[in-house]
Amino acid sequence: QSALTQPRSVSGSPGQSVTISCTGTSSDVGGYNYVSWYQQHPGKAPKLMIYDVSKRPSGVPDRFSGSKSGNTASLTISGLQAEDEADYYCCSYAGSYTSVYVFGTGTKVTVL
Amino acid sequence: EVQLVESGGGLVQPGGSLRLSCAASGFTFSSYSMNWVRQAPGKGLEWVSYISSSSSTIYYADSVKGRFTISRDNAKNSLYLQMNSLRAEDTAVYYCARDPARSMDVWGKGTTVTVSS
Repeated sequence: QSALTQPRSVSGSPGQSVTISCTGTSSDVGGYNYVSWYQQHPGKAPKLMIYDVSKRPSGVPDRFSGSKSGNTASLTISGLQAEDEADYYCCSYAGSYTSVYVFGTGTKVTVL
Repeated sequence: EVQLVESGGGLVQPGGSLRLSCAASGFTFSSYSMNWVRQAPGKGLEWVSYISSSSSTIYYADSVKGRFTISRDNAKNSLYLQMNSLRAEDTAVYYCARDPARSMDVWGKGTTVTVSS
């Protein structure tokens, strides 16, 4: 199972919106509504930001939203803030016993 | 406080073995599936292994199948990863992560494994 495809980097000014895409196949992203997104600051553990495509865990700001169309999922950060600068990874349930989960390649979000 | 703490990482020679542990606290460990996820230096996240709450279902990534063994002890609130026949490409930070249902909602800080002669 290949990694999901994400843009290497995206950037925006404070207050703007940025969207990160995550492209997979019908065997992962397109086949299940189990896409999650993780934020990772340098030297830190990943943090769950979105699960089940569009649900936010308690404590995650509503500036973060998720969606999916076909084999592509997206994470949108509205009202970009300095603390949003981090790496973001998508992850999809893949259902295969040798690849239960597949992660994306990762996207560096830069706040200009 | 819900917490996962990994331990057991270190420097090991190629072909060697290491056993990682993950201590859980602040939640009912026996009710949750668990995962190991790793991150090579400067690289992205890679799922390694999954174990269900009762240990009845276990999965491995192709890259570690036959060399790594995941297990858990619900009485001790602990998750383990036995790693044998280690290779240079296994060098990474290893995270344990709680799996409530098709996502990973709690992560440990990670333990570093370095495979080098």
